[in-house]
Amino acid sequence: ELKVEQNPLFLSMQEGKNYTIYCNYSTTSDRLYWYRQDPGKSLESLFVLLSNGAVKQEGRLMASLDTKARLSTLHITAAVHDLSATYFCAVDTGTASKLTFGTGTRLQVTL
Amino acid sequence: EAGVAQSPRYKIIEKRQSVAFWCNPISGHATLYWYQQILGQGPKLLIQFQNNGVVDDSQLPKDRFSAERLKGVDSTLKIQPAKLEDSAVYLCASSQYFSGSGDEQFFGPGTRLTVL
Repeated sequence: ELKVEQNPLFLSMQEGKNYTIYCNYSTTSDRLYWYRQDPGKSLESLFVLLSNGAVKQEGRLMASLDTKARLSTLHITAAVHDLSATYFCAVDTGTASKLTFGTGTRLQVTL
Repeated sequence: EAGVAQSPRYKIIEKRQSVAFWCNPISGHATLYWYQQILGQGPKLLIQFQNNGVVDDSQLPKDRFSAERLKGVDSTLKIQPAKLEDSAVYLCASSQYFSGSGDEQFFGPGTRLTVL
């Protein structure tokens, strides 16, 4: 059974600081997604990573994928309060585009 | 382009009652998914349709949950009878293709179910 683990589960950081969220998964996959979820809202797609070594950046967020290490990272640069949300990674097992989600990382950016 | 639509947005029922949720995917999307998201957890796939056929329902509690996608467009998810542990947000998602090649899923706003 595929397991997807994120750490940390909760992250409190000050504005202007940098930090990284890690997503580890237990089986071979070369397709990984990052989503953002605000309280009471649905999931918003952030990044789609489709190959080993893929790196994508949008604003203060940068995601990367290392399929050999079965690891994806979401790096936050100079955090701002608007980034406060829960971030999920999701692994595509390759079987009919079925996603298995991680546990989520709740990010709180304080002023 | 309109997104994935779901209704109702909120539902409160008592245990052993029945409830149904409706989803309208993005126009032209072949694949439709229903997820259950329990508070504090990531979404868990319940069932996946390609057009009007079931691709994966391995995690659907079939003794109480059922789903259908008539004509390969709208879908309904039903729970009968509901249990306390069914309290969750039910998310519908759709994707354009059924290719297994990293097709992005787009999520609806969800239905928050509370079972008392």
